[in-house]
Amino acid sequence: ETGVTQSPTHLIKTRGQQVTLRCSSQSGHNTVSWYQQALGQGPQFIFQYYREEENGRGNFPPRFSGLQFPNYSSELNVNALELDDSALYLCASSLLVGGGAYNEQFFGPGTRLTVL
Amino acid sequence: AQKVTQAQTEISVVEKEDVTLDCVYETRDTTYYLFWYKQPPSGELVFLIRRNSFDEQNEISGRYSWNFQKSTSSFNFTITASQVVDSAVYFCALRDLKGGYQKVTFGIGTKLQVIP
Repeated sequence: ETGVTQSPTHLIKTRGQQVTLRCSSQSGHNTVSWYQQALGQGPQFIFQYYREEENGRGNFPPRFSGLQFPNYSSELNVNALELDDSALYLCASSLLVGGGAYNEQFFGPGTRLTVL
Repeated sequence: AQKVTQAQTEISVVEKEDVTLDCVYETRDTTYYLFWYKQPPSGELVFLIRRNSFDEQNEISGRYSWNFQKSTSSFNFTITASQVVDSAVYFCALRDLKGGYQKVTFGIGTKLQVIP
């Protein structure tokens, strides 16, 4: 186990609703990234948080937003859910060390979101 | 733009056979990292290896070995004497450090089935 936890494990929502997914990072890690993995695809980078600010974003619309808290845990919020948002959402934590270098990302077990 | 290609979507082998998973990547950056992850049916991504672009030395870890060839932009993964527990989806991934954050680009994955 990596020490990265996510909740809930499964979630069912209807189109147009809003959802919040949660992630607790591994002890000692200060960076959290979120990924969306559609069925049969590789994970797609959504965004990364460091020191409670978003410092990188993939090709996802603004209705995907996030937060990082002082204890480095994080939330992913998705507004106005669409059917295509159905996916496994993975959280990954890592440690940003000096000079912009990162060590490996460690992933949580994911939250499977189904949008009906 | 970054791209990771895993041309083999599914592979089946009989237990104890050797199997090689192919990975070809594209990037314009001179400094980058390559990864392999394993995703069992439970969904959690398990980190296997990281390689930086300046280290072309091949690596062996037990039954696992990796062949990094910069000249062909390939980072192939070989499992020797495969076991049923190796059955999973394997992802090759590429990370650059542009913008000060670590955006990881994953391939589509190769589903490996090891038949007893």
